Amino acid sequence: DAKTTQPNSMESNEEEPVHLPCNHSTISGTDYIHWYRQLPSQGPEYVIHGLTSNVNNRMASLAIAEDRKSSTLILHRATLRDAAVYYCILRMYGGATNKLIFGTGTLLAVQP
Amino acid sequence: GAGVSQTPSNKVTEKGKYVELRCDPISGHTALYWYRQSLGQGPEFLIYFQGTGAADDSGLPNDRFFAVRPEGSVSTLKIQRTERGDSAVYLCASSSGGAGGNEQFFGPGTRLTVL
Repeated sequence: DAKTTQPNSMESNEEEPVHLPCNHSTISGTDYIHWYRQLPSQGPEYVIHGLTSNVNNRMASLAIAEDRKSSTLILHRATLRDAAVYYCILRMYGGATNKLIFGTGTLLAVQP
Repeated sequence: GAGVSQTPSNKVTEKGKYVELRCDPISGHTALYWYRQSLGQGPEFLIYFQGTGAADDSGLPNDRFFAVRPEGSVSTLKIQRTERGDSAVYLCASSSGGAGGNEQFFGPGTRLTVL
């Protein structure tokens, strides 16, 4: 399974944009890029996913590099509730299994 | 609607005992996953069901771990002869299909402590 690399931690101020980077240089053509986040004492929560094009939803935006070797999760206005561990995960389409392989993620701290 | 639920929320047991952890997925979701999460780590995949059958059990650490989903809905993770190293949060997730683009919905987890 292809691996992802993320910074261990990042800090942001409330109401400012946050850009969370992820490197995945060994991504294959059939890998989707998924982002999940985990708030303290909760199960992970889906944020967004994409394949090639940039994606937007109510929670965030996902910017995917043209060569797909990296991506960035963008939170447009961070709130205190966005403080969580953010996981960037590659997930193969159409494989026999659809497991998520989590790394250690990026711990995002949001300052008031 | 109701999300994924897991019972019990906490389980304390003694080394060598048998435990069962239950997962109720979102109604209609055909895919169900078990993960476990140790302190400071990301969740680790254990097993994936598509309907009643285990499509991928490659993450089960050894034969003390077993999971069933007899009617394609509720699933039970069973751990025999528990060891202290089994202490972790056990997470269940479900999704509406198995394709790579489908999001997984996670339950709150069961915190297992083996004394």
